[in-house]
Amino acid sequence: QVQLQESGPGLVKPSETLSLTCTVSSGSISNYYWSWIRQPPGKGLEWIGYIYYSGSTNYSPSLKSRVTISVDTSKNQFSLKLSSVTAADTAVYYCARVYSAYDKFLDYWGQGTLVTVSS
Amino acid sequence: DIQMTQSPSSLSASVGDRVTITCRASQSIITYLNWYQQKPGKAPKLLIYAASSLQSGVPSRFSGSGSGTDFTLTISSLQPEDFATYYCQQSYSTPPITFGQGTRLGIK
Repeated sequence: QVQLQESGPGLVKPSETLSLTCTVSSGSISNYYWSWIRQPPGKGLEWIGYIYYSGSTNYSPSLKSRVTISVDTSKNQFSLKLSSVTAADTAVYYCARVYSAYDKFLDYWGQGTLVTVSS
Repeated sequence: DIQMTQSPSSLSASVGDRVTITCRASQSIITYLNWYQQKPGKAPKLLIYAASSLQSGVPSRFSGSGSGTDFTLTISSLQPEDFATYYCQQSYSTPPITFGQGTRLGIK
């Protein structure tokens, strides 16, 4: 079955750019949407955005000005960049597969990676 | 954007109890409603999609119902491994994908 694994720095300084990569294994990245979701410590889930394998994207309105999601089909990976981070961006970041274009629920998730924003 | 509201925010129950969690959408989402279970330190896990369809591998004690704006997740007989936080999510009008605030199910 499909497996997802997040990777990237666990500590980012304020005002810098958070960068994470999600590697998809046991399945192709093609023909699906792929999403990033985050969860601040002790809080609920917040959708960040998603990308189609072809490269088209949609972002959360509250984060749109700071977020870029990209895809590399040759590596079966997609990535998240979040610029100008503050302590409020400290969270566990999850990548997930979107089931289909017609019903966007999340059927496979990565284990999550904690990113702390601190100097 | 469609807002999702769960109730209660937390509840306590005992093994063997029947438990119901409610999710309300700010407008009709037909049956584009999904439920996830999250245990501490773990990623959310899809339980139910399209309001009432059980994801493969999920025990049959979990069930979902509802349409329009009001939905329920029911656990027919609580097991020790069911103590977790549950989230609903609408997939009717995206973007954005929106989640409920979560319901924390604890042991009485």
